[in-house]
Amino acid sequence: GESVGLHLPTLSVQEGDNSIINCAHSNSASDYFIWYKQESGKGPQFIIDIRSNMDKRQGQRVTVLLNKTVKHLSLQIAATQPGDSAVYFCAENLSGNTPLVFGKGTRLSVIA
Amino acid sequence: KAGVTQTPRYLIKTRGQQVTLSCSPISGHRSVSWYQQTPGQGLQFLFEYFSETQRNKGNFPGRFSGRQFSNSRSEMNVSTLELGDSALYLCASSAQADLYGYTFGSGTRLTVV
Repeated sequence: GESVGLHLPTLSVQEGDNSIINCAHSNSASDYFIWYKQESGKGPQFIIDIRSNMDKRQGQRVTVLLNKTVKHLSLQIAATQPGDSAVYFCAENLSGNTPLVFGKGTRLSVIA
Repeated sequence: KAGVTQTPRYLIKTRGQQVTLSCSPISGHRSVSWYQQTPGQGLQFLFEYFSETQRNKGNFPGRFSGRQFSNSRSEMNVSTLELGDSALYLCASSAQADLYGYTFGSGTRLTVV
């Protein structure tokens, strides 16, 4: 498959455990944040998003937490599965008129 | 419904040549954005088009250009290719006029030799 990042930080978790992927967002004025998952050979796939007026949002097995005070964003994956192995990117928007700015990504490796 | 379609999937070019990549957005989506993805720099924004107009442009040299057609399909062109242009080029489309989240295609892997 295609390599999307040779020098990415890597998080290894046991199957069934919870995963927490962290991201430091770059701009305190950003009003929208989003997490993408990228598997080998594919483009980034939307996971979950959150507006700046929220501090938590839950999806199916995933939760995004936002702390604007310290410019920190995290993605929690419950009961991690082998299919969750991928590179995860956070991204942010200053506004609806500006493009998404992506973080460097974290590789999640699930150990069966 | 069909997702974002990028063609070709793989491309090998020689330094100095030029290349054109194509992107067909999801039907009904009018905004198309292009990103370059490399291991060292991650995803870097190239440009974004909405209704055939370039609305946003990233910090890439003038060798990188793009356009959008009336059916929202988009092309990007890179002239005078350099080795450093080797990358995965990703296209994304958005249904809204705003840029709150996009749907990505699988990308075109360009290798310059």
